[in-house]
Amino acid sequence: SQKIEQNSEALNIQEGKTATLTCNYTNYSPAYLQWYRQDPGRGPVFLLLIRENEKEKRKERLKVTFDTTLKQSLFHITASQPADSATYLCALDDTNAGKSTFGDGTTLTVKP
Amino acid sequence: DGGITQSPKYLFRKEGQNVTLSCEQNLNHDAMYWYRQDPGQGLRLIYYSQIVNDFQKGDIAEGYSVSREKKESFPLTVTSAQKNPTAFYLCASSRDLDQETQYFGPGTRLLVL
Repeated sequence: SQKIEQNSEALNIQEGKTATLTCNYTNYSPAYLQWYRQDPGRGPVFLLLIRENEKEKRKERLKVTFDTTLKQSLFHITASQPADSATYLCALDDTNAGKSTFGDGTTLTVKP
Repeated sequence: DGGITQSPKYLFRKEGQNVTLSCEQNLNHDAMYWYRQDPGQGLRLIYYSQIVNDFQKGDIAEGYSVSREKKESFPLTVTSAQKNPTAFYLCASSRDLDQETQYFGPGTRLLVL
């Protein structure tokens, strides 16, 4: 069966450190993968998209990697700040269904 | 000011009552989506629409209905057949089904009295 797994429900780190979030998937062949940020009580906001032929993509303090052999994406936030505290969702392009499927998310807390 | 709006922010439903959640976008997007989110969980797709007058069931369509009479609007009705409707409902749009990024509204929280 198809499955998307994001690492531990919660991740706590100290300000200034690098946060690394994981998204693993099984029985998907996504053409691309996306990461979204969601704050409590609000809708998700798009952050980054990485395609199957891209190994890495960066945007300011954010970096995403995509390994189609391992079926895994890593999402890094460098020099983390308390304002980075939120839930981060990965979403796969489910080409067979013509839509995206979301993981359950990882809640990141950055402590000052 | 372009974007996607949802109303109301909070909605209360009585037993046996149908309620309708509004979703409007002025982004000129063809595709629109409805998701349900339960506490601590990800988004589950209820319905999606690729074009006006066409929509498809998602993973959890039972107890819900939609319409797409206008490009800008994609209302969701939570019917009395949905026995556990308490959740956070999110509407999203994208340029089309092949256009990757989805833009989300602020959400509607539905509570049962």
